Amino acid sequence: DVKVTQSSRYLVKRTGEKVFLECVQDMDHENMFWYRQDPGLGLRLIYFSYDVKMKEKGDIPEGYSVSREKKERFSLILESASTNQTSMYLCASSSLSGAHYEQYFGPGTRLTVT
Amino acid sequence: AQSVTQPDIHITVSEGASLELRCNYSYGATPYLFWYVQSPGQGLQLLLKYFSGDTLVQGIKGFEAEFKRSQSSFNLRKPSVHWSDAAEYFCAVGARAAGNKLTFGGGTRVLVKP
Repeated sequence: DVKVTQSSRYLVKRTGEKVFLECVQDMDHENMFWYRQDPGLGLRLIYFSYDVKMKEKGDIPEGYSVSREKKERFSLILESASTNQTSMYLCASSSLSGAHYEQYFGPGTRLTVT
Repeated sequence: AQSVTQPDIHITVSEGASLELRCNYSYGATPYLFWYVQSPGQGLQLLLKYFSGDTLVQGIKGFEAEFKRSQSSFNLRKPSVHWSDAAEYFCAVGARAAGNKLTFGGGTRVLVKP
């Protein structure tokens, strides 16, 4: 059974803190993605990676960075958390050779910045 | 650029009644189309997908969707709703020209009345 795991289900941080969200997949997928989900806006792509140490900006990269040092792990970093980054964060992965970009999702991390 | 519109933010349906969720996409060529479901507090699960061929697609949990190129639509249907179908539903479009990314609609939240 395919699996994408995220390090925390709930996280509370203070404004200005550096925040790390971790995502691990066990499917040997090349592609990994970070989205944020807000009511009425659906999922918006923050960053994605198609290989180790490779990354590309998505639609809303401002205030975020990412790291992919190993194929199975993709980290999202909030350099200085702000209240407008309070949101649900979803990680996903997909295979380059797989079924037309079908993505597999983790359970999400609900981040609250106070 | 591709885009997805889900016109209905909320839908309330009685248990046992039929359900139809609307999805309209914008893309010049034949897209890859997906429906995902998100139960409360969970990540996204793939319900069904369309790549080519038969325009009526069967998915899990008794759902089906029909691709209509002339209307740029990919509506999701279920003949008889169960209380466990209460969730948020997302339509997504992918395309080879866009790399491995998916574009999601804003979601439709389904409430099921007993």
